[in-house]
Amino acid sequence: DVKVTQSSRYLVKRTGEKVFLECVQDMDHENMFWYRQDPGLGLRLIYFSYDVKMKEKGDIPEGYSVSREKKERFSLILESASTNQTSMYLCASSRGTFGYTFGSGTRLTVV
Amino acid sequence: DQQVKQNSPSLSVQEGRISILNCDYTNSMFDYFLWYKKYPAEGPTFLISISSIKDKNEDGRFTVFLNKSAKHLSLHIVPSQPGDSAVYFCAAPGHGGSQGNLIFGKGTKLSVKP
Repeated sequence: DVKVTQSSRYLVKRTGEKVFLECVQDMDHENMFWYRQDPGLGLRLIYFSYDVKMKEKGDIPEGYSVSREKKERFSLILESASTNQTSMYLCASSRGTFGYTFGSGTRLTVV
Repeated sequence: DQQVKQNSPSLSVQEGRISILNCDYTNSMFDYFLWYKKYPAEGPTFLISISSIKDKNEDGRFTVFLNKSAKHLSLHIVPSQPGDSAVYFCAAPGHGGSQGNLIFGKGTKLSVKP
């Protein structure tokens, strides 16, 4: 069963902390994505990567960075967490746009 | 500027009746559309898609209709079941090709009442 695994289901962090959200896929997909989901705003793209060490900004990259050192792993980094980054974070991978597989999500609360 | 719009945040339907979820888009270059379903505390899962060369695609209880002239698509669920209660997202490829990302609408929360 193919999978996208996000390391944590729930996280609580303090304002100003550096936060790492990890995502691993086992499908040998080239493309990986980070979205956040907020009520009334839907799914908004933060960053995506179409190859190792490559990254592209999405619609809302401010306050975030990413790392893709290996094909199967795509990390989202909150350099200095703020309360407006409290959200559900969703990682996805694909070989094209037609085969997105999402992880189960990480519910991050910044206090 | 929102390229994929779902103007109804929520929809409530009685079990056994038809659910119709709507989606509008602004970019006439979109050539493929997808619907995803999301339960709380889970990631979205692919439901059904349609290519712009078609006007209808059916998969069991789910049918998607595409009206290119109106830049409108709709998802029909017949008959609706309580297990269909979820948030439904309409999506289209943002850049095309294999390196593109999906652009999602804001979602419609469907509640199917027993």
